[in-house]
Amino acid sequence: GGIITQTPKFLIGQEGQKLTLKCQQNFNHDTMYWYRQDSGKGLRLIYYSITENDLQKGDLSEGYDASREKKSSFSLTVTSAQKNEMAVFLCASSIVRGGSQNTLYFGAGTRLSVL
Amino acid sequence: TQTVSQSDAHVTVFEGDSVELRCNYSYGGSIYLSWYIQHHGRGLQFLLKYYSGNPVVQGVNGFEAEFSKSDSSFHLRKASVHWSDSAVYFCAVRRTGGYKVVFGSGTRLLVSP
Repeated sequence: GGIITQTPKFLIGQEGQKLTLKCQQNFNHDTMYWYRQDSGKGLRLIYYSITENDLQKGDLSEGYDASREKKSSFSLTVTSAQKNEMAVFLCASSIVRGGSQNTLYFGAGTRLSVL
Repeated sequence: TQTVSQSDAHVTVFEGDSVELRCNYSYGGSIYLSWYIQHHGRGLQFLLKYYSGNPVVQGVNGFEAEFSKSDSSFHLRKASVHWSDSAVYFCAVRRTGGYKVVFGSGTRLLVSP
């Protein structure tokens, strides 16, 4: 089996700060995703990447940048943290073909708080 | 644009009861439908999925879901819940051939002893 590792687990930032979240997967999956989860709400797609060096905007990409320089890693940058912002950022990966196609494997999340 | 609607934000049942969590989708083409579970403080875990064939699909831990094209639904069911089934459940849809996965807002299931 594989694992998705998100770092850091907790991130506390200041208003206006640029913050970077990292995600590593050892499934050798092609596609990776970043979702934002606000308390009591569903998941909103920020960015996804079909393969290495590919980036696709999701529904909530404004205010974020992403980078997929290696197949195994996908990072997300909050370009300017908003005061009192609190959310969990979830990274996921998936294969393109095969029996597990369409199954997303998630990391445990990074919990962001902005002071 | 595909959308997923989970009409019940909270469902409370007693241990041993049956439960149905509802999911309705809006999309005219060929899609994959899935259910995921999220325990408190964790990431989501895959439960089951449907693409074609038998409309009733079995998942882990006794969960099953039934696809209905006429109702645009993919409801999740369990015949007898356990306290450990308390979690948030998410329905998700992906267009065939696409990569974007859209999630519903989730249903929080609380199983009382």
